[in-house]
Amino acid sequence: GNSVTQMEGPVTLSEEAFLTINCTYTATGYPSLFWYVQYPGEGLQLLLKATKADDKGSNKGFEATYRKETTSFHLEKGSVQVSDSAVYFCALKTASGYSTLTFGKGTMLLVSP
Amino acid sequence: DAMVIQNPRYQVTQFGKPVTLSCSQTLNHNVMYWYQQKSSQAPKLLFHYYDKDFNNEADTPDNFQSRRPNTSFCFLDIRSPGLGDAAMYLCATSSDGTGNSPLHFGNGTRLTVT
Repeated sequence: GNSVTQMEGPVTLSEEAFLTINCTYTATGYPSLFWYVQYPGEGLQLLLKATKADDKGSNKGFEATYRKETTSFHLEKGSVQVSDSAVYFCALKTASGYSTLTFGKGTMLLVSP
Repeated sequence: DAMVIQNPRYQVTQFGKPVTLSCSQTLNHNVMYWYQQKSSQAPKLLFHYYDKDFNNEADTPDNFQSRRPNTSFCFLDIRSPGLGDAAMYLCATSSDGTGNSPLHFGNGTRLTVT
């Protein structure tokens, strides 16, 4: 079956530090990959996505590259801000046919001034 | 703005007292989902509708039911809430069920069971 594994948090960084949150997946076929962000007390928002190998998704300074050879989709940002503090979920959907979203367990990011 | 709206944001119910959570969407999406999210955990899919076709996850308790009277609205009914059902309930939509269509989430309803 499909599964997503994320690094455990919390990840604690100072403002302007470099961020990496690791995500690896197991899936049949070639899934689409997503990063969602959840701010405190809110629902999930789509942050970025990639639908095929070597695609790079990017948004708000975050980026992630779909690496088929390592089955990974690591999230990176060059310089984090306090407002980036949130929980980040990696997720996948199988690309062919009808499917639902499989989430990782989420990684909390805490950024201090 | 097109969006997914959940009401209420906070719901308190008593042990065993039926409760209904509501979700509406202005995106005109075909698929609507209900997820349960407990503290510090990933959202867990309870069920979803593709148009009027209902799809229940195998491990969703019978205590949880859903209705979708039209494209725009979807309801989650908990027939006899237990303390273990206290959680954030998230509604989401997608244009179709294929891999490329992302999910759009509402802000959730936080359910407390007393």
